[in-house]
Amino acid sequence: GAGVSQTPSNKVTEKGKYVELRCDPISGHTALYWYRQSLGQGPEFLIYFQGTGAADDSGLPNDRFFAVRPEGSVSTLKIQRTERGDSAVYLCASSLTWVGQGADEQFFGPGTRLTVL
Amino acid sequence: QKEVEQDPGPLSVPEGAIVSLNCTYSNSAFQYFMWYRQYSRKGPELLMYTYSSGNKEDGRFTAQVDKSSKYISLFIRDSQPSDSATYLCAWGGDTGANSKLTFGKGITLSVRP
Repeated sequence: GAGVSQTPSNKVTEKGKYVELRCDPISGHTALYWYRQSLGQGPEFLIYFQGTGAADDSGLPNDRFFAVRPEGSVSTLKIQRTERGDSAVYLCASSLTWVGQGADEQFFGPGTRLTVL
Repeated sequence: QKEVEQDPGPLSVPEGAIVSLNCTYSNSAFQYFMWYRQYSRKGPELLMYTYSSGNKEDGRFTAQVDKSSKYISLFIRDSQPSDSATYLCAWGGDTGANSKLTFGKGITLSVRP
């Protein structure tokens, strides 16, 4: 079926504004991950969900960042009071099972390119 | 010391060359070792995955892991222009490829026809 999809593909906003980034995982995948990739860097882990609950949010940089997955499928990453330093590509990945249940590959979406002016 | 260090790039080679990409790591908790390939404006895709020291081969690609030296390598034989991409080394914890991943900075490879 379809891969991981992310919307929008590009988002330009002004400093101080609120943004929402959406991720649609592969159907049936129970685990969902968010990463952030700055220019010239590898992806950095932000948060991951097992089903509806955030199992590990240790990578969220501060309380301006929040993510939800209310029905265990689609997830939304929310950023309040955006800053220029938030500019990056935000990647979402999903896997069939979650930590402790086997070694399943994480499939990545194309990312949302966020630019904060 | 950073958890992961990856050889700096970019790297440009002629078609048909053998390419060697290298990463070192410091965290002994890392158990699973991966190489991802990322084309421009795309998400990373898993290329190779291993959890033990030694070599793992898949077509033109060979992943090499040396846990005692905390060193991993990716070799590409008979490189093709379609191999032009950014290559990222990555590690998972003790629960497999679906645990949170730690990535290197990536090295951009260009294969000239």
